[in-house]
Amino acid sequence: ETGVTQSPTHLIKTRGQQVTLRCSSQSGHNTVSWYQQALGQGPQFIFQYYREEENGRGNFPPRFSGLQFPNYSSELNVNALELDDSALYLCASSFGTGGEKLFFGSGTQLSVL
Amino acid sequence: QKEVEQNSGPLSVPEGAIASLNCTYSDRVSQSFFWYRQYSGKSPELIMSIYSNGDKEDGRFTAQLNKASQYVSLLIRDSQPSDSATYLCAEHVRIQGAQKLVFGQGTRLTINP
Repeated sequence: ETGVTQSPTHLIKTRGQQVTLRCSSQSGHNTVSWYQQALGQGPQFIFQYYREEENGRGNFPPRFSGLQFPNYSSELNVNALELDDSALYLCASSFGTGGEKLFFGSGTQLSVL
Repeated sequence: QKEVEQNSGPLSVPEGAIASLNCTYSDRVSQSFFWYRQYSGKSPELIMSIYSNGDKEDGRFTAQLNKASQYVSLLIRDSQPSDSATYLCAEHVRIQGAQKLVFGQGTRLTINP
């Protein structure tokens, strides 16, 4: 167990809908990173949140957005869902932005129909 | 384009043999590399990290790094059926103010009893 919890575990949405995924960071960690893992691929970096601000972003469109709260938990929001958004969404927490060893939560499996 | 490349497999190894997993990377400035194990339907689990040229051993696992050849490998000795999983290689890179992991697509390993 990494101490990083994600909810929900599974989610089914239809194209065009919006979704919110949640992540509670490990105690003492102030940074949250989100990754998307499509079937048969490695995880891809979406963005990182540090001190409630986006601290770096991968090659994802603006319809992927996030929040970090004062307790360091985080949300990932995806608007106008597309079929290709179907993936496992992983959250990892760390202390500071230089965290190298990432420990992932159990993930949210999103299916877009 | 920074990339991490792995042979997707599947790689089939008899129980008790040595499994050898390989990874190449394109970013010459990368200093830190990681191997994650991912069971089907689960999130990636960190099993090894390596920062210096040479070998690093941890139980049945040995990570090897050759920065001149931009090559990372993972050896699993005395392979067990429980080692059957997808193995992800990752390098640590900086992007904007954040630090992230860039993953390969993973190698699927099957240990045959």
